[in-house]
Amino acid sequence: EDQVTQSPEALRLQEGESSSLNCSYTVSGLRGLFWYRQDPGKGPEFLFTLYSAGEEKEKERLKATLTKKESFLHITAPKPEDSATYLCAVQAHTGSARQLTFGSGTQLTVLP
Amino acid sequence: DAGVTQSPTHLIKTRGQHVTLRCSPISGHKSVSWYQQVLGQGPQFIFQYYEKEERGRGNFPDRFSARQFPNYSSELNVNALLLGDSALYLCASSLDGGDGYGYTFGSGTRLTVV
Repeated sequence: EDQVTQSPEALRLQEGESSSLNCSYTVSGLRGLFWYRQDPGKGPEFLFTLYSAGEEKEKERLKATLTKKESFLHITAPKPEDSATYLCAVQAHTGSARQLTFGSGTQLTVLP
Repeated sequence: DAGVTQSPTHLIKTRGQHVTLRCSPISGHKSVSWYQQVLGQGPQFIFQYYEKEERGRGNFPDRFSARQFPNYSSELNVNALLLGDSALYLCASSLDGGDGYGYTFGSGTRLTVV
């Protein structure tokens, strides 16, 4: 059974204070690892897809990296508008449905 | 272009009732997936439809059913509602069912069962 564990559950940062969010996963053949951002009462918003260990992707203040067991979302000099819940999900090669298995998310609060 | 459209945005139902949730995917997308998100947790997979055929089903009881129409829109039906069905129901649209392209989520339908 595919599993995703995210840590920490919640993170409070001061504006400009860089940090990393962790996503540990077990999956029967990784097809892709996805990062989403979710604001309260809204659907998840796509950020990145990573496909193989060693891959990195960047978008503004965010950088996602992937190893064979973990993914990290690095946030550099965050701003209050980066406050949201960040979700990690894996997609496996097995099965006909290309469903995503999500972690419980990290709730990020950036204080001005 | 319009994104993924879900309706209604909110609704309140009584235990034992039936509910139908609707989703219109992004124009040109042939796949719709449904997820349930309970407060404080990540979304959990319910169904995926691709080209009007069920492609997969998550670990949900038979009270949950879905279908996809010729225009690729979709309905999720839940019978005999329980308090535990209260959640945000998300629809995700994909061009090819997730084989090579990612998923775009709608804003969801917030279902409250009382």
